[in-house]
Amino acid sequence: EDKVVQSPLSLVVHEGDTVTLNCSYEVTNFRSLLWYKQEKKAPTFLFMLTSSGIEKKSGRLSSILDKKELFSILNITATQTGDSAVYLCAVAGAGSYQLTFGKGTKLSVIP
Amino acid sequence: ETGVTQSPTHLIKTRGQQVTLRCSSQSGHNTVSWYQQALGQGPQFIFQYYREEENGRGNFPPRFSGLQFPNYSSELNVNALELDDSALYLCASSLAWDEQFFGPGTRLTVL
Repeated sequence: EDKVVQSPLSLVVHEGDTVTLNCSYEVTNFRSLLWYKQEKKAPTFLFMLTSSGIEKKSGRLSSILDKKELFSILNITATQTGDSAVYLCAVAGAGSYQLTFGKGTKLSVIP
Repeated sequence: ETGVTQSPTHLIKTRGQQVTLRCSSQSGHNTVSWYQQALGQGPQFIFQYYREEENGRGNFPPRFSGLQFPNYSSELNVNALELDDSALYLCASSLAWDEQFFGPGTRLTVL
C-alpha cells in the first residue's frame, strides 16, 4: 500500500523566516510526487516532480526530489502571512490512477 | 479558461439518506477524480473517471458510486449515508496522468 508521511504536522514561524517541509513516501513503481497548497478548500497545485535532483522553483517556493532516499522537501523563503496554509504532498505510482496524500503540514506565519 | 467547479457548496443530510454531488471539469480535461477529505486528514481517493468509464477505485464501499457525462462533468452518489461520511468531497480534473486540478469542494455533514 502506498504511503506518504509529512513532517512536521504543524509549524509556526515569523514573517521573513525560511521554512522546509518534508515528505517521505513509499510507493510501488514511483511515477511522480506532487505538492499542493490548501488554504480553505481547494488544494492549489504547486509542483510536480518526477526526476531526482532537479529543483523546481516558483517565486519564493522551491522543491526537490530524492528518489534514492524516497523523500522530497518544499522550501519557502522570506515567508509571508499569505503563505499560511496546509501543504499537502501526494505520490502517484505506475499503473495506478490515484494520488496518495499525506496528512499535510499546517504552516502558520505570524507578523 | 474555466476552472473546476462543484455544487453544492454545503449540504446537510441525515443518516440513511442519499446524496448526489456534482463537478464540472476544467475546460479540455477528460479525466475526473473524486476524493474524500476528513477533518485534519489528507484527501483519500474514491475513484476516477476517464471518458465516461470508471478508471480506478480506492478503498470505498459500493454505496459510493459515480458517473461521468459526455461533456466530462461528473457526479458522486453516496447511498445509505453514515455519520463517518461527513467530510469535504473534492473533485479534481486532469488531462495528463497526475497533474490534477481541484475544485472548491462540497462540505457534507451527516446528522
